[in-house]
Amino acid sequence: QQPVQSPQAVILREGEDAVINCSSSKALYSVHWYRQKHGEAPIFLMILLKGGEQKGHDKISASFNEKKQQSSLYLTASQLSYSGTYFCGTGTNTGNQFYFGTGTSLTVIP
Amino acid sequence: EADIYQTPRYLVIGTGKKITLECSQTMGHDKMYWYQQDPGMELHLIHYSYGVNSTEKGDLSSESTVSRIRTEHFPLTLESARPSHTSQYLCASSEYGRETQYFGPGTRLLVL
Repeated sequence: QQPVQSPQAVILREGEDAVINCSSSKALYSVHWYRQKHGEAPIFLMILLKGGEQKGHDKISASFNEKKQQSSLYLTASQLSYSGTYFCGTGTNTGNQFYFGTGTSLTVIP
Repeated sequence: EADIYQTPRYLVIGTGKKITLECSQTMGHDKMYWYQQDPGMELHLIHYSYGVNSTEKGDLSSESTVSRIRTEHFPLTLESARPSHTSQYLCASSEYGRETQYFGPGTRLLVL
């Protein structure tokens, strides 16, 4: 039931783009994205509630393909501050279960 | 901005001791959660609560217990700490009907 994220880890140079994928074996009602910097707690980035919905925040955006039961997080022109571990979180339509994904470690180097 | 607090932030304790990790939130959120996370690893849900007097075990088997006597307070207790309990413990809360979770700063536990 835990969503699987890919890749597990990625290293980018500043200014490069990255895509992080989150796939679930269950039908999804919502997808959340969080970022956790080393030694800190996860911070909420965005939520997608509808199939096909896309959201953006600065140069970080995400899409939600309800039919495929997956979501992707897009990081454009990456900055050093984007480094951290990204987790997706998925909710079902019963609203009673929420699962965090396996995590993707992203490192941006100068 | 979320207001959720955890104490202590760091704890070093000997095997066999009883410990309680505190978590409080001032947002009036009904749902609260405890996660265990090793450095750089996944978040494992160990307990959650949907309101006062409601507690459930999460997916990760844990020897800890929780209580929810007040909406704002969700303490986690280990009756007899062991080295295998060494980890970071994160508390989170969310508003009922919304799934966005707000995390506390975490407690880093080291059991010797």
